[in-house]
Amino acid sequence: GNSVTQMEGPVTLSEEAFLTINCTYTATGYPSLFWYVQYPGEGLQLLLKATKADDKGSNKGFEATYRKETTSFHLEKGSVQVSDSAVYFCALGSGSAGGTSYGKLTFGQGTILTVHP
Amino acid sequence: ETGVTQTPRHLVMGMTNKKSLKCEQHLGHNAMYWYKQSAKKPLELMFVYSLEERVENNSVPSRFSPECPNSSHLFLHLHTLQPEDSALYLCASSQETGNTIYFGEGSWLTVV
Repeated sequence: GNSVTQMEGPVTLSEEAFLTINCTYTATGYPSLFWYVQYPGEGLQLLLKATKADDKGSNKGFEATYRKETTSFHLEKGSVQVSDSAVYFCALGSGSAGGTSYGKLTFGQGTILTVHP
Repeated sequence: ETGVTQTPRHLVMGMTNKKSLKCEQHLGHNAMYWYKQSAKKPLELMFVYSLEERVENNSVPSRFSPECPNSSHLFLHLHTLQPEDSALYLCASSQETGNTIYFGEGSWLTVV
């Protein structure tokens, strides 16, 4: 079955530091990969996605590249801000390629990021 | 602003109460979902509706009863819940054949 493994948290950084949150997956077929972010007290927001190998998703200074050879989708940001403090979820979507007419997401356990001034 | 709206944002209910959570999506999607997020546990998919028909029910207790009257609205009816049901309940939607899922802001439920 599908699974997603995320880097253990929590991660604590100073403002302007470089961020990497590792994510690896196991899946059959050709899944899409996602990063969602959850700010304190809120629901999940789609941060970025990639739908095929070698695609790079990017948004708000965050990037992640779909690496089929290493089955990874690591999240990076060159200079974090205090406002980036949140929980980050890596997810794998099987979608219609999974034999269903709707999307199915498999989530990692989430990584808590805290950025200090 | 999210295209998926959930109400209420916060709900406190007793174990003998009956209440409902409401979700509305303004994205023209045909699939809707309920997820449960508990402390220190992965996100759990509860129910999936595709084209207004329930297509997935992941061993959810019968005290949770979903309803999807049309493709834009989804309800979760709650009856005789337990304190361990306290959690954040997230509604989401997607295109029928797509796999990008968009979430609402969630309803925080506390059962006392």
